[in-house]
Amino acid sequence: EVQLVESGGGLVQPGRSLRLSCTASGFTFGDYAMNWVRQAPGKGLEWVGFIRGKAYAGTTSYAASVKGRFAISRDDSKSIAYLQMNSLKTEDTAVYYCTRGVLDRWGQGTLVTVSS
Amino acid sequence: SYELTQVPSVSVSPGQTARITCSGDALPKKYAYWYQQKSGQAPVLLIFEDSERLSGIPERFSGSTSGTMATLTISGAQVEDEADYYCYSTDSSGDLVVFGGGTKLTVL
Repeated sequence: EVQLVESGGGLVQPGRSLRLSCTASGFTFGDYAMNWVRQAPGKGLEWVGFIRGKAYAGTTSYAASVKGRFAISRDDSKSIAYLQMNSLKTEDTAVYYCTRGVLDRWGQGTLVTVSS
Repeated sequence: SYELTQVPSVSVSPGQTARITCSGDALPKKYAYWYQQKSGQAPVLLIFEDSERLSGIPERFSGSTSGTMATLTISGAQVEDEADYYCYSTDSSGDLVVFGGGTKLTVL
């Protein structure tokens, strides 16, 4: 069974950093791109970025709203994808989901609250 | 930047057909995907590659595309289908993923 489990969320002050992890199981992790998607309270889904699998050299792409502040990486040996979030803003407050490939499987999400 | 446009809300009576649309300039070249999200839950993929239904999804859910518009059709909508529905696709380069703004379906 495919499982994705996000962790690392919490309360953080504006301007600080936070790293989220997504631990995967039930599939060959290295064969898949991994995406991060977020949802602010009461709002719609917003794609954050993705990292491609090893066949595509692990290249990344990001939404304009986070480019230059967020970075996605992966450790295929541990089946974990990471989302490093720097220079956090209050508008980054959201539930962050990790998703597989063409977004066919989702974790349950982890809440990030940016507030002083 | 690329955008996908959805109507904010659709309302039908139980047993009626609900149609939820998603428009975007790149849809003739890029696949559309459809998700259902119920309150407090993670999104669930219903339709991939425009019209393929994921295993386990009821047959009343179907997808289609025509030109720059993708459509999710729920034939014989049921009360339990009340949810937010999102389309997603990519821009023409394939490097940027975009979600529609979501459509709230009411069945009553």
